[in-house]
Amino acid sequence: GAVVSQHPSWVICKSGTSVKIECRSLDFQATTMFWYRQFPKQSLMLMATSNEGSKATYEQGVEKDKFLINHASLTLSTLTVTSAHPEDSSFYICSAVRDRRSYEQYFGPGTRLTVT
Amino acid sequence: AQSVAQPEDQVNVAEGNPLTVKCTYSVSGNPYLFWYVQYPNRGLQFLLKYITGDNLVKGSYGFEAEFNKSQTSFHLKKPSALVSDSALYFCAVRDEGNFNKFYFGSGTKLNVKP
Repeated sequence: GAVVSQHPSWVICKSGTSVKIECRSLDFQATTMFWYRQFPKQSLMLMATSNEGSKATYEQGVEKDKFLINHASLTLSTLTVTSAHPEDSSFYICSAVRDRRSYEQYFGPGTRLTVT
Repeated sequence: AQSVAQPEDQVNVAEGNPLTVKCTYSVSGNPYLFWYVQYPNRGLQFLLKYITGDNLVKGSYGFEAEFNKSQTSFHLKKPSALVSDSALYFCAVRDEGNFNKFYFGSGTKLNVKP
């Protein structure tokens, strides 16, 4: 149990276009999901906390208007990179919390975004 | 503020030898500590966690970690390394008071040589 999927697994888009990444908890309900960004050979940088039915909470330095997060249901959160630029190219990983007591996070497999 | 530090960028061990990946933490409240492993172009896989209880925590794939409050450490260990253990390992701490966010260490690349 506790499987999290991401779609797509990789995407190439042209500069100026928008890209949507989906994060789904397949076998549990997740009231909280997190979005991370990982640069090559570096750690995960938390971008935002996504709570079902409310606005996402963004970390300092993350542009809200550029990285739109929607958590419309207990099993789905989406990250939309708007007007993408080459510097947005990165590995995006989501995670979902299943158990409020332990707050253990279950991670998706990640999405590789390349902006040309 | 909560934080974790992984002092080693890389750890090299021979197959069959014991391995240790170091992690130290800084928290203002109770420490909730985690270890994750990441294989190339993959998401993170949970290995083990410390919430409370025994200081020695056993996890997946034969890994274990020892919580040491006085040294504020949570080192990951395995008695006998396998080549397949080669991966990137992250230590993380949960921030109770801040939306339960996780803060990750910088990661340690483990290389196990045959």
